[in-house]
Amino acid sequence: ETGVTQTPRHLVMGMTNKKSLKCEQHLGHNAMYWYKQSAKKPLELMFVYNFKEQTENNSVPSRFSPECPNSSHLFLHLHTLQPEDSALYLCASSQDEVNEQFFGPGTRLTVL
Amino acid sequence: AQRVTQPEKLLSVFKGAPVELKCNYSYSGSPELFWYVQYSRQRLQLLLRHISRESIKGFTADLNKGETSFHLKKPFAQEEDSAMYYCALRLGGVNFNKFYFGSGTKLNVKP
Repeated sequence: ETGVTQTPRHLVMGMTNKKSLKCEQHLGHNAMYWYKQSAKKPLELMFVYNFKEQTENNSVPSRFSPECPNSSHLFLHLHTLQPEDSALYLCASSQDEVNEQFFGPGTRLTVL
Repeated sequence: AQRVTQPEKLLSVFKGAPVELKCNYSYSGSPELFWYVQYSRQRLQLLLRHISRESIKGFTADLNKGETSFHLKKPFAQEEDSAMYYCALRLGGVNFNKFYFGSGTKLNVKP
């Protein structure tokens, strides 16, 4: 598959669960991003990675833990989430951090 | 404080009418502004960016630093323009990797 893919597309989890979101980009980009899109709120940048190094952490709570093992893969590890963390989580990639971002379809997360 | 403001949540126009989606930003440095669009059941994608100074699908947007605005315009709306539109700001200088999005405006073009 081309472009940016995200799995799973939907996830329901309890507050005590541990789960991970996965993002993979097939565009040869070197920068990857996690965004959170809550209902009625703007898209919020969470993390930025460039060449596997985290270059931005936008004051995200520690219950969200990113991992970027290589330039093509990005994970978001989730543990002890709160119901207010329910949102659409979008992954994006770009060639360097100054160019157009290409978005994945998102993972719809529901925390019970 | 919100960096990017899109005052209209919903904008409805008739086909062939002009359309303007408003975007104002808050930043005193040298910004880069973008418009992203999300069509129904599709992913978010870049429509245009101010440094390109292009017209994409008939849309244009001019950065007005005096008014800190980056409104999106099209002289004659088409039904296929119906979508969610997001204005985005990238900060300049050492903060170049900080992006801020507006809450979006839903454009509905009626036949």
